[in-house]
Amino acid sequence: DQQVKQNSPSLSVQEGRISILNCDYTNSMFDYFLWYKKYPAEGPTFLISISSIKDKNEDGRFTVFLNKSAKHLSLHIVPSQPGDSAVYFCAASIQGAQKLVFGQGTRLTINP
Amino acid sequence: NAGVTQTPKFRILKIGQSMTLQCTQDMNHNYMYWYRQDPGMGLKLIYYSVGAGITDKGEVPNGYNVSRSTTEDFPLRLELAAPSQTSVYFCASSYPPGVSNQPQHFGDGTRLSIL
Repeated sequence: DQQVKQNSPSLSVQEGRISILNCDYTNSMFDYFLWYKKYPAEGPTFLISISSIKDKNEDGRFTVFLNKSAKHLSLHIVPSQPGDSAVYFCAASIQGAQKLVFGQGTRLTINP
Repeated sequence: NAGVTQTPKFRILKIGQSMTLQCTQDMNHNYMYWYRQDPGMGLKLIYYSVGAGITDKGEVPNGYNVSRSTTEDFPLRLELAAPSQTSVYFCASSYPPGVSNQPQHFGDGTRLSIL
């Protein structure tokens, strides 16, 4: 029972263009969502989050969009840079409960 | 600026052996977590702790035990290693949830192979 799904295992984007990573969830109790970035041989690092009371949150080049009715969120990276090449994990939780449910991850490759 | 430190980084065990994965954090976080990540999969929660002396099961606790005697340390024990426990193990820590949930800070992982 995969409650959080990232259906694209990999994504390749040209440097300078927009990268869009997608995530779907099935549990309507989830109301807090996070994106983590992971380089090889390192632990995940927190990137950006969004609460269900918002539909957009922006931090520099990173924007997360939440569509509650579709149970879908996306991460936009503009412009994409070579250092953005990593695996990106979407995670969901319930406010007040710190336990995270992770998606399978999407490997993003930024080509020069 | 150590953050979350996990030891060892790599380990090979034989079936039936036991071992303890160590995790320590220096950020004075109350909450600590253990996850495992299998190839091509997301991280799955094994156990978590909301403070010293308090632990609870996550999604995949079978075959593991934890203890939390101090704020800083949260060791994970495998009693009878099985091939299904071959995985990368991540420890994380965070502050308690406030107005919003708090991001978790992860260590660099322990890669464990059971042969």
